[in-house]
Amino acid sequence: GAVVSQHPSWVICKSGTSVKIECRSLDFQATTMFWYRQFPKQSLMLMATSNEGSKATYEQGVEKDKFLINHASLTLSTLTVTSAHPEDSSFYICSARDLGLAGVTYEQYFGPGTRLTVT
Amino acid sequence: RKEVEQDPGPFNVPEGATVAFNCTYSNSASQSFFWYRQDCRKEPKLLMSVYSSGNEDGRFTAQLNRASQYISLLIRDSKLSDSATYLCVVNRRKGYSTLTFGKGTMLLVSP
Repeated sequence: GAVVSQHPSWVICKSGTSVKIECRSLDFQATTMFWYRQFPKQSLMLMATSNEGSKATYEQGVEKDKFLINHASLTLSTLTVTSAHPEDSSFYICSARDLGLAGVTYEQYFGPGTRLTVT
Repeated sequence: RKEVEQDPGPFNVPEGATVAFNCTYSNSASQSFFWYRQDCRKEPKLLMSVYSSGNEDGRFTAQLNRASQYISLLIRDSKLSDSATYLCVVNRRKGYSTLTFGKGTMLLVSP
């Protein structure tokens, strides 16, 4: 079945540094990728929707200058957490939707997540 | 009111038990409904979609009540491997765009 990969799977960084997380769709093309964040014992919260070749759409309350999203190809989206702080420590999960046939909506596939710890 | 509400649990049940989870959603315009399963420190995985007429997949049965804006999941003959957090997920439009997740209900199945 469809597979979405994320890299790295976990990262520890110092406060003030930037961290880049990659999300790849491995056997399908994804026009749309989604970035979620999940704090312990909380629900997944959509941060932004990323469409290939265009600017990402951010959810209310998510700083676009802090969470930079680039979706340069149909199989790769990146999320960069700039000037990370301890409160950014979380589980970041990407999701990709199959391009599929016109007018047909396919399932969203989730990546395995990236656990970010900022010290 | 939260968009999707679930009892966080945990639900502790013995193997072989039947257990039911409920979920309510606030947006009456929601079009699509799903149950996802999430294991500890892992990504969520689609368990099943929920259809208006109700649907069954093996030991799992999902029901939707649009009038009450309520979704349920029934698990029969619980297995140890069913231990996980079950996420109720709704979408305002048909298909899978803009999914809204509940916090999840934790299930612990013991021998």
